[in-house]
Amino acid sequence: DVKVTQSSRYLVKRTGEKVFLECVQDMDHENMFWYRQDPGLGLRLIYFSYDVKMKEKGDIPEGYSVSREKKERFSLILESASTNQTSMYLCASARLAGHYEQYFGPGTRLTVT
Amino acid sequence: SQQGEEDPQALSIQEGENATMNCSYKTSINNLQWYRQNSGRGLVHLILIRSNEREKHSGRLRVTLDTSKKSSSLLITASRAADTASYFCATAAFSGGGADGLTFGKGTHLIIQP
Repeated sequence: DVKVTQSSRYLVKRTGEKVFLECVQDMDHENMFWYRQDPGLGLRLIYFSYDVKMKEKGDIPEGYSVSREKKERFSLILESASTNQTSMYLCASARLAGHYEQYFGPGTRLTVT
Repeated sequence: SQQGEEDPQALSIQEGENATMNCSYKTSINNLQWYRQNSGRGLVHLILIRSNEREKHSGRLRVTLDTSKKSSSLLITASRAADTASYFCATAAFSGGGADGLTFGKGTHLIIQP
């Protein structure tokens, strides 16, 4: 069974802290994505990666960075967490071309106080 | 960026009835996908329909795509309590040789009354 895992289901951090959200997939997918989900706004793409060490900005990259050192792992980094980054963060992976469905992890609900 | 918009925002029906949700988008797409999200969980892919397809079935799900109207519909037949969830449409486009993320709508919250 295909699987995308995220390091934490719930996370509480203080304003100004550096936060790492980790995502691992076991499907050998080239593409990985980070979204945030907020009530009334739906899912919005933060960053994606189509290969190791490659990254592309999504619709809302400000305040975030990413790292992809290995194919199976894609990390989202909040350099200095702020309260407006309180949200549900969802990681996904997908094969490169043709068949393009995305497989999602269970999500990390981050609260920044 | 292109965006799917679902309609209605919320839908409540009796178990056994059919549920129809609609999605509209703004620009050309490669494919359109529907996802389900149970409360507080990740999204689960339901069905993908490509721009050259008009209709697709999967079990109790039927999806249509009208590229001239830039719209899609998801029909769930013979609904069950377990179908209670939020449903999202998402559009995908390819640029260059790489792949973009999906652009999601805000979702339809479906409640199946027992």
